[in-house]
Amino acid sequence: GAGVSQSPSNKVTEKGKDVELRCDPISGHTALYWYRQSLGQGLEFLIYFQGNSAPDKSGLPSDRFSAERTGGSVSTLTIQRTQQEDSAVYLCASSSWAKGPNYGYTFGSGTRLTVV
Amino acid sequence: QQPVQSPQAVILREGEDAVINCSSSKALYSVHWYRQKHGEAPVFLMILLKGGEQKGHDKISASFNEKKQQSSLYLTASQLSYSGTYFCGTDRYSGGGADGLTFGKGTHLIIQP
Repeated sequence: GAGVSQSPSNKVTEKGKDVELRCDPISGHTALYWYRQSLGQGLEFLIYFQGNSAPDKSGLPSDRFSAERTGGSVSTLTIQRTQQEDSAVYLCASSSWAKGPNYGYTFGSGTRLTVV
Repeated sequence: QQPVQSPQAVILREGEDAVINCSSSKALYSVHWYRQKHGEAPVFLMILLKGGEQKGHDKISASFNEKKQQSSLYLTASQLSYSGTYFCGTDRYSGGGADGLTFGKGTHLIIQP
């Protein structure tokens, strides 16, 4: 697609429920990243996928968080048993490092998650 | 380690210049700069690679001093459209950002007419 697409744009869920956030990267971008942005904070790294390699999960804050990327394209971030502190904007970005290091990340518009 | 940005916020009149700094406590291979407008996605501005080369386009430029582990973003003759939050991102490892970036907390820039 023309840009990075994320869905849903907004999600309100009850504490304890599971949620799935979807990211559709730019076609041909092999690298995909998930970040979390809380009010007044910077972007917190969560997980990174490169092609079909095993993901770098070192930024996931707890074992309630997991992510997968199917066919080297679409990615889903799953948060189980949501807590109020999970409320944030979840941003997905993709990049094409095969073209060289001068290409940055293209971010999606994010999913605003509110846990009530 | 999260890079430290300064200042946290700055208010300027249209046409004035601004400098935003980004400092890291670890060795850097690259620094990325992004701008985010309220309610929108961050947008890539530029990447600076190890070598201290200054880059820029239009009236926005940046420098990278890997010895001092610092980068600075320069906005000259600021325009209303420059308003937003500026983030610097530094390598998590040594891949130039390919394996993820650690972002600063951002600098809020407000340009007034």
